[in-house]
Amino acid sequence: NAGVTQTPKFRILKIGQSMTLQCAQDMNHNYMYWYRQDPGMGLKLIYYSVGAGITDKGEVPNGYNVSRSTTEDFPLRLELAAPSQTSVYFCATSMGSDTEAFFGQGTRLTVV
Amino acid sequence: QKEVEQNSGPLSVPEGAIASLNCTYSDRGSQSFFWYRQYSGKSPELIMFIYSNGDKEDGRFTAQLNKASQYVSLLIRDSQPSDSATYLCAAYRMNRDDKIIFGKGTRLHILP
Repeated sequence: NAGVTQTPKFRILKIGQSMTLQCAQDMNHNYMYWYRQDPGMGLKLIYYSVGAGITDKGEVPNGYNVSRSTTEDFPLRLELAAPSQTSVYFCATSMGSDTEAFFGQGTRLTVV
Repeated sequence: QKEVEQNSGPLSVPEGAIASLNCTYSDRGSQSFFWYRQYSGKSPELIMFIYSNGDKEDGRFTAQLNKASQYVSLLIRDSQPSDSATYLCAAYRMNRDDKIIFGKGTRLHILP
């Protein structure tokens, strides 16, 4: 089992470009999350989903969009990339809302 | 007041000593608490979780919870250089928005 797989691992974007960060899981977990982690900081929740077809905003949703058409996939879309979106992005899944979260390996995004 | 607060460190502890990591939380409705370890450039992984007041032990790790004082701690006995990492405290608040909130993390450095 691969667990939680994120692609790409690294990406450099120019200001104003768009991209989609992919997240796929084979753990059959209902809950999926997108976090960003800025240098020296903790994890900030961008969006989360409690199941296919259901998404909700986290602490820092502005500039991002998500969709959850299947249990396995939870892509994060950046529209009009800005330097403030330079960060490491982590996708995570969990069985329930208060259980262990399993993280992907992260995507390091730089916007220049 | 931040919801989950941790001293960012670095906390330097001699090899073989006890490392004590502390975390306070502001929402009295928080019910579950998690400690994640994150090595530099890697994704977080769960070390311990605790739901009830008191101590919970797992090998060299002990989590302590005091809900009256809104305080969570992680003790690492017989510290090893491999314990050098950032430790993230997280709190789950069911009655508010069903989310897990992370602190900024404490950098721990074990001195050989």
